[in-house]
Formats: sequence, structure tokens, C-alpha cells
Amino acid sequence: GQNIDQPTEMTATEGAIVQINCTYQTSGFNGLFWYQQHAGEAPTFLSYNVLDGLEEKGRFSSFLSRSKGYSYLLLKELQMKDSASYLCGGAGSYQLTFGKGTKLSVIP
Amino acid sequence: DTAVSQTPKYLVTQMGNDKSIKCEQNLGHDTMYWYKQDSKKFLKIMFSYNNKELIINETVPNRFSPKSPDKAHLNLHINSLELGDSAVYFCASSQAPRGSDGYTFGSGTRLTVV
Repeated sequence: GQNIDQPTEMTATEGAIVQINCTYQTSGFNGLFWYQQHAGEAPTFLSYNVLDGLEEKGRFSSFLSRSKGYSYLLLKELQMKDSASYLCGGAGSYQLTFGKGTKLSVIP
Repeated sequence: DTAVSQTPKYLVTQMGNDKSIKCEQNLGHDTMYWYKQDSKKFLKIMFSYNNKELIINETVPNRFSPKSPDKAHLNLHINSLELGDSAVYFCASSQAPRGSDGYTFGSGTRLTVV
């Protein structure tokens, strides 16, 4: 099984950088996902890490350390539209197990 | 074209009723899933199917019965609805069992049991 932990809420200022951490304990680990979910909408795919290191995609980057069971999502140049929940998910075989999500509020 | 579509979007029903939610994906994916998101926004897997075969059933009450007539469809039937079943139900699909190319979610069905 998988046990995934991430902060419940975070607040950051428009234009700033924010890092959302995720720790996991897993057997049969097959990679780490980050999803974004706006209120009342479906989760949308942001990133996938299966090897250690940093993956950069525009303003968003995701990092993985398998030995530490640790990942983070880095959001740069925050915009108001980045206010959403960010879900860390551990991939197993035929399932993706999510943490409880981090609600990010971006303030002016 | 919507990649993963589920119907209905909203469902309000009385306790004890039976209801179904339909899901279809046009991505050619082999694996489909049902997730439940409760009032605290925790997204929890219920079932996964691969090529019409049930792979995972995460201790879901047997009032919930998924059915996959083909690999593009995964429907969810719920018998004897209870207040605690109120939640948003998301259908999803992925290409590989490990889903390394990402899971695509439907827009969700908000079920309210009164």
C-alpha cells in the first residue's frame, strides 16, 4: 500500500515562488504524480517523476528523491489562477493513490 | 471531443434508491477507474479495470457494482443509496497499468443523497 502525506493548506503571494512538499511510504512504487484541481473541476495532470531529479515544465517543476520517499512541486511566478488544490499521487500497479491534497491560495 | 465523459453531471436522489453513472473514454486506453471524492476533498480509488476485467476493488461495499461492457466504458451502479454515499465520483482512464503517461479524469458526477 501507499501512505502519502502533504500539507493541508498553503498561502502565497502573486508573483512569488511556492514549494509544496510530499512524502510517501510505498511498496511497489512506480512513480510520483502531481495533479492540479480547481474547485468543482476534475483533476488535471501536471507532472510525473519516476527517476530521481528535477523535471521542469514552464512555471512548474517537480522533484523526486526515491531514497528519501520525498517529492515537491515548485510553482514560480505565481498567478491568481494557480489557486487550486494540488494532489500528490503515488503510482502502483493499476492504481494511483493520492494524498489529501494541498489547498493553495494565491493572494494579491 | 471530450476524452473521458461521464453522465450525469449532477444526481440528487432519495435514500434507498438505485442509480447508475456512466463513463466513456475515447482515448483508446486499456485501463479505467472509479474514484470517490468526499466532502473533505480526499480522492480515493474505488475500482480499476483493465480490458474489461476487474483488477482492484478497494474494500468498497457490494452495493457498488461496476460494469465494463467494453474497454471504452466503465459504468457504476449503486444500490440502496445511503446518505454517506454523497460525494463526487470521478471516472478516469490511463494507457498503461502504471499510468506513466498520466490518468485522464472525467468532469465528475456530484451525487447527493437526501
